Amino acid sequence: DAGVIQSPRHEVTEMGQEVTLRCKPISGHNSLFWYRQTMMRGLELLIYFNNNVPIDDSGMPEDRFSAKMPNASFSTLKIQPSEPRDSAVYFCASSGGPVTEAFFGQGTRLTVV
Amino acid sequence: DAKTTQPNSMESNEEEPVHLPCNHSTISGTDYIHWYRQLPSQGPEYVIHGLTSNVNNRMASLAIAEDRKSSTLILHRATLRDAAVYYCILTNFGNEKLTFGTGTRLTIIP
Repeated sequence: DAGVIQSPRHEVTEMGQEVTLRCKPISGHNSLFWYRQTMMRGLELLIYFNNNVPIDDSGMPEDRFSAKMPNASFSTLKIQPSEPRDSAVYFCASSGGPVTEAFFGQGTRLTVV
Repeated sequence: DAKTTQPNSMESNEEEPVHLPCNHSTISGTDYIHWYRQLPSQGPEYVIHGLTSNVNNRMASLAIAEDRKSSTLILHRATLRDAAVYYCILTNFGNEKLTFGTGTRLTIIP
């Protein structure tokens, strides 16, 4: 397996534009996590899914952020409209269960200018 | 959620053993102790996890106190590639959220 795949690796966009980040989890994993990392706030859990269902989205900062998991092999994190303070590295991770190893993607570095 | 406490930073000499502590005094009986690390410019990676007994794998060892209120990640022979931020995290079957704290930044001195 190629691991967790995120795209794009880098994204530069203008304030107000819509941004969509994509994640392909490891096949067979039933849990998927979205994180955001900044120097100021560290690694923050935004949302996690289990069997394609959002279980906890308490970390989603505001209504501008939304996440979907239409099937077991694909998830998106959308920001609309984007703001400069959304600039961060966004990580996706997947795992096979609550006490098993989670695998992280390489991240998407988002810059909003 | 049970909380973990780690030192902000540690230093160790190359090729020496490293002991990274973690306090989790409010741990519940069903909480598993996980360790992840994040190398520079990479996503976090799994290191090891355990429940009650000490655990060993190819990367490290995990020593869990008898009362489970603390644990220690042991790198037996540190290399420069082990320089990273190490995170101690608790999860259980009812709450699988991996919530990262500030971790311990490990610096390896050549």
